[in-house]
Amino acid sequence: DAGVIQSPRHEVTEMGQEVTLRCKPISGHDYLFWYRQTMMRGLELLIYFNNNVPIDDSGMPEDRFSAKMPNASFSTLKIQPSEPRDSAVYFCASSLDRGGNEKLFFGSGTQLSVL
Amino acid sequence: AQSVTQPDIHITVSEGASLELRCNYSYGATPYLFWYVQSPGQGLQLLLKYFSGDTLVQGIKGFEAEFKRSQSSFNLRKPSVHWSDAAEYFCAVGGAGGFKTIFGAGTRLFVKA
Repeated sequence: DAGVIQSPRHEVTEMGQEVTLRCKPISGHDYLFWYRQTMMRGLELLIYFNNNVPIDDSGMPEDRFSAKMPNASFSTLKIQPSEPRDSAVYFCASSLDRGGNEKLFFGSGTQLSVL
Repeated sequence: AQSVTQPDIHITVSEGASLELRCNYSYGATPYLFWYVQSPGQGLQLLLKYFSGDTLVQGIKGFEAEFKRSQSSFNLRKPSVHWSDAAEYFCAVGGAGGFKTIFGAGTRLFVKA
């Protein structure tokens, strides 16, 4: 298996622009997670899905952020409009349907820079 | 509420020396505990996990961790560090019934020759 695939690896955009981050989880994994990593706040869980349904989005910072999972093999995290404080590394991770006791498989992340 | 504390922001160890990274957790039930490693520019990779049973857990790359319930700790150890171990290490806690793994702030490991 190729693992969790994220695209793009790097994204540089200007403030106010829409940004879309993409993720392909490992086939057969029922859970998908979006994390954000910054120096100040560390690794934060933004949202997670179970069987394509959003379960907990309490970590989404504000309405500018939205996430979708239209099918089992694809998810997007969208920021509209983007702001400089959104600059961070965004990770997607997936896991089998075993609850919090299963390990997470992480993608390589998307480095987002909002100028 | 569950939480994870890694008291050391960074640690420097000489190559060949032993290593211990500290992790303390707070969780209202039986915790599921993890250690992940992140190399520069990469995602996190699981080193080891503890659910139950033997409190000394063996992981990949020669790492081990010991669960001490009385101290709410899950410290990571390695008897002899290699230069390739330089990375950031994250302790995490999760639990059955709800799926929200919480990560500590991380400890950056530097290895000197």
